[in-house]
Amino acid sequence: GAGVSQTPSNKVTEKGKYVELRCDPISGHTALYWYRQSLGQGPEFLIYFQGTGAADDSGLPNDRFFAVRPEGSVSTLKIQRTERGDSAVYLCASSLLAGTLTGELFFGEGSRLTVL
Amino acid sequence: GENVEQHPSTLSVQEGDSAVIKCTYSDSASNYFPWYKQELGKRPQLIIDIRSNVGEKKDQRIAVTLNKTAKHFSLHITETQPEDSAVYFCAATDAGNMLTFGGGTRLMVKP
Repeated sequence: GAGVSQTPSNKVTEKGKYVELRCDPISGHTALYWYRQSLGQGPEFLIYFQGTGAADDSGLPNDRFFAVRPEGSVSTLKIQRTERGDSAVYLCASSLLAGTLTGELFFGEGSRLTVL
Repeated sequence: GENVEQHPSTLSVQEGDSAVIKCTYSDSASNYFPWYKQELGKRPQLIIDIRSNVGEKKDQRIAVTLNKTAKHFSLHITETQPEDSAVYFCAATDAGNMLTFGGGTRLMVKP
């Protein structure tokens, strides 16, 4: 597709369960970002990939959160032992970097996670 | 790390009036300042951006100004229309290419 695709769009799980959220970025975009957005707040940075490697994972709240991008395209955000406080919309974005200049971030529609 | 503050959190204007949203940032190395519009239940979408080598940029009814000395930047929307109603986010990025977002401004344009 032409845009950033995220699946699932909605995920309801029980406390303590494991979840995976998938992001398919725009083809050719080398930079991929995960953000978390709670109701009424701005997107909060989680992790940034440049190619296959995590260039900055300083936003991951704790070791229950992990993300991979093994082939430099699709990324998966993994959350272990989910807690009610993990409930939020998880946004993925991709960008075409030109040298060191940040380009426009194109966001997906997000995955709404609800932990009961 | 970068810290971005955004004001006001809500803004209500009459159709046709102007709206101004202000943001401050903390990292003097920041060099890219985009503004995103997010309609209810939708993805954030870029509406305008500015880089640190310019002080002002306009695109039809919207403009952004940047004061690097004071570390603040503002979004100006003129002749507001009901379809401008949304949440607006400012953001700033440093040399590491990581965007930090402000808390958002809910703009309501009353017909």
